[in-house]
Amino acid sequence: DGGITQSPKYLFRKEGQNVTLSCEQNLNHDAMYWYRQDPGQGLRLIYYSQIVNDFQKGDIAEGYSVSREKKESFPLTVTSAQKNPTAFYLCASSIDMNNEQFFGPGTRLTVL
Amino acid sequence: AQTVTQSQPEMSVQEAETVTLSCTYDTSENNYYLFWYKQPPSRQMILVIRQEAYKQQNATENRFSVNFQKAAKSFSLKISDSQLGDTAMYFCAFMKLKLVFGKGTKLTVNP
Repeated sequence: DGGITQSPKYLFRKEGQNVTLSCEQNLNHDAMYWYRQDPGQGLRLIYYSQIVNDFQKGDIAEGYSVSREKKESFPLTVTSAQKNPTAFYLCASSIDMNNEQFFGPGTRLTVL
Repeated sequence: AQTVTQSQPEMSVQEAETVTLSCTYDTSENNYYLFWYKQPPSRQMILVIRQEAYKQQNATENRFSVNFQKAAKSFSLKISDSQLGDTAMYFCAFMKLKLVFGKGTKLTVNP
C-alpha cells in the first residue's frame, strides 16, 4: 500500500535528551514537511524539503533539525534546545509544493 | 503573510442535518489553493476537499461542498446529511507553496 508512515506512535523523552522522529513515504513524492500541533492550535510548519538534500526552515524551526538524504525519508530531531517539545508531530508529503499534502498518522511526543 | 481564520471553535449538528463551517483568509496573492482537512479522534489528517482560486465553480465531493467567495476571501464548508462519522476537527488551509492552517472547528454530530 502507498502511504506515509511515522514511528513511533508514542514517544517519551527525558529533559535534556535529543530524540528523532521517523517519517517514511512510498508515494514517490518530492516534497516533505514536518508540522507541530498543540491543543487549540492549527498545524505549524517546522521544516520542509522540496527535494533530496535540500530543506528549509518553516515558521517554528528553533530547537529542531532535519535531514533529507533519501527521497522517501525525512527524519525530524527534537533537540534539547527546544524549550517546550511536548506536542503532536505530523509529517506530510506532496508531489511538489503546488499540490495537496497527504499526512502520516502522527507521533505524540511527551517530555517527562 | 497569509492568515486563516475559523471563527467557530465548536459546532454541533443533528444527524442527517446540514451544517456550514466558516473560514476566511487574508492574502495578496491571486493564484492559490484552499483546502478543508478533517481530523477525527484518531488524529489522522484527511483531505476533504480542495479549491483552486482560479476556478469560479465551487468544489463538491459527495456530501461535502464549498462556497468560495474570492473577493470576500471566504471559503465555507457545507456538510449535507451529516453522519456520526463526520464528528471531527475541521481545518481550513490556504496554500501558496506552503500550507497555512486555521485553528480549527470542532464539529460534533449528535444522534
